[in-house]
Amino acid sequence: EIVLTQSPGTLSLSPGERATLSCRASQSVSSYLAWYQQKPGQAPRLLIYGASSRATGIPDRFSGSGSGTDFTLTISRLEPEDFAVYYCHQYGSSPLYTFGQGTKLEIK
Amino acid sequence: EVQLLESGGGLVQAGGSLRLSCAASGFTFSTYAMNWVRQAPGKGLEWVSTTSVSGGNTYYADSVKGRFTISRDNSKNTLYLQMNSLRAEDTALYYCAKVLVARTYHDAFDIWGQGTMVTVAS
Repeated sequence: EIVLTQSPGTLSLSPGERATLSCRASQSVSSYLAWYQQKPGQAPRLLIYGASSRATGIPDRFSGSGSGTDFTLTISRLEPEDFAVYYCHQYGSSPLYTFGQGTKLEIK
Repeated sequence: EVQLLESGGGLVQAGGSLRLSCAASGFTFSTYAMNWVRQAPGKGLEWVSTTSVSGGNTYYADSVKGRFTISRDNSKNTLYLQMNSLRAEDTALYYCAKVLVARTYHDAFDIWGQGTMVTVAS
């Protein structure tokens, strides 16, 4: 089983700042890596797939990078609505998928 | 509008059974692999099960293998999860989700339902 480790567990930033979230895989997943945003009481929303492609309707302040085992989600300028929990998800070993444990992005 | 609507959750005693349903609309259901993902209260996401477009191939997380069965009825645009021998640790919000691209497993999950809550009392 491929294990995904996200860091940090919690990130405290202010609106307008830049956020950098990390996801590391225990073995290579090539570019089969997605990022989701989840707000309280809501289902996860797909942000990034294929490590760097933005999903439909996702603002361009969200960007993804990386391949192999190390991946990054960057939010260039935080908006108030961006404070949420973010999960990475590998589908390189699909149909045996795994998710990271999540990073909580909170307002400082 | 592409939509997934789960139902069938509830309170059940440990050792009991429950059948979840997920009604799909707004897309050609029969051409997409489908999945169940769960989230225990206050915890992260856990993949549970996947079915191929025909339902002929199914896959499970080790935590549910042998107890849960995923199936689909393409004529009714509906996905199912039969859950037997339920345990307290199965307590979670269960989401159904479709993959982004038709006829592949190798993809992210682009559409999620709102989830149905399963509570297993010990």
